[in-house]
Amino acid sequence: QKEVEQNSGPLSVPEGAIASLNCTYSDRGSQSFFWYRQYSGKSPELIMFIYSNGDKEDGRFTAQLNKASQYVSLLIRDSQPSDSATYLCAVNHSGGYQKVTFGTGTKLQVIP
Amino acid sequence: GAGVSQSPSNKVTEKGKDVELRCDPISGHTALYWYRQSLGQGLEFLIYFQGNSAPDKSGLPSDRFSAERTGGSVSTLTIQRTQQEDSAVYLCASSFPGFRGYTFGSGTRLTVV
Repeated sequence: QKEVEQNSGPLSVPEGAIASLNCTYSDRGSQSFFWYRQYSGKSPELIMFIYSNGDKEDGRFTAQLNKASQYVSLLIRDSQPSDSATYLCAVNHSGGYQKVTFGTGTKLQVIP
Repeated sequence: GAGVSQSPSNKVTEKGKDVELRCDPISGHTALYWYRQSLGQGLEFLIYFQGNSAPDKSGLPSDRFSAERTGGSVSTLTIQRTQQEDSAVYLCASSFPGFRGYTFGSGTRLTVV
C-alpha cells in the first residue's frame, strides 16, 4: 500500500464547476496535510495546508480532512482554465517530523 | 534571498561522471530538503537537514548519492558515477521552524547521456 494515494486522473471539469480532488494516507499518526499545485514543467507550489478535522477555506479552495477515515480532499470552486495543473497531496510523518511524503498527483483539466 | 535558489537549472552529463547540484534556501529557513521527480512520477524524498541535527539520509537511493549543508545554509547534492536512471528533476525545498509546508526551488534538470 502506498503511503499517500491519489487518483492520477485526468479529472476533467467544465469551467465554473467544482473540482473535487481526493487523497488517502496510511500513517494514522500523521498530523499535517498539504496540497500543492504543479504546472507542467514547473515546481510544486503550496496552496493549502490543514491540521484539524473539518474544512478549511481559502478563496476558491477548500481543504477537507477526516483523520478517522484517513482522507483529505481539495475542492476548487468556480474552476478556471488556469487551475489546470497536477495537484499533489502531501502528508507528514507522525511524531512532529517535518518530512512529508507526496502522492503522485491528480491531473486536473478545466475545459473552457 | 526571496526564494529557494537552485543551480544549475539544467545539467547534461556523461554516464560515469560526477555532478554537483546546489541549493540556497530562503534566509531563516532552518530545514532543507532534497527531492527528485522523474518524468511523470511523483516526488521521491532523498535527504532532509534540520539545523545542526544529523541529516535524515533515508531516501538516498545508493551510496553514489551524498549531500552536505554548510553553515546551516547552502546545500550541495553530489551524485558520483552518474547512471542514466539518475536522470530526473532534482528539487530543493526549505521551510520555517514552525513548518507550514515547503517552498520549492525551480529545480535542476539532470540528464545523463
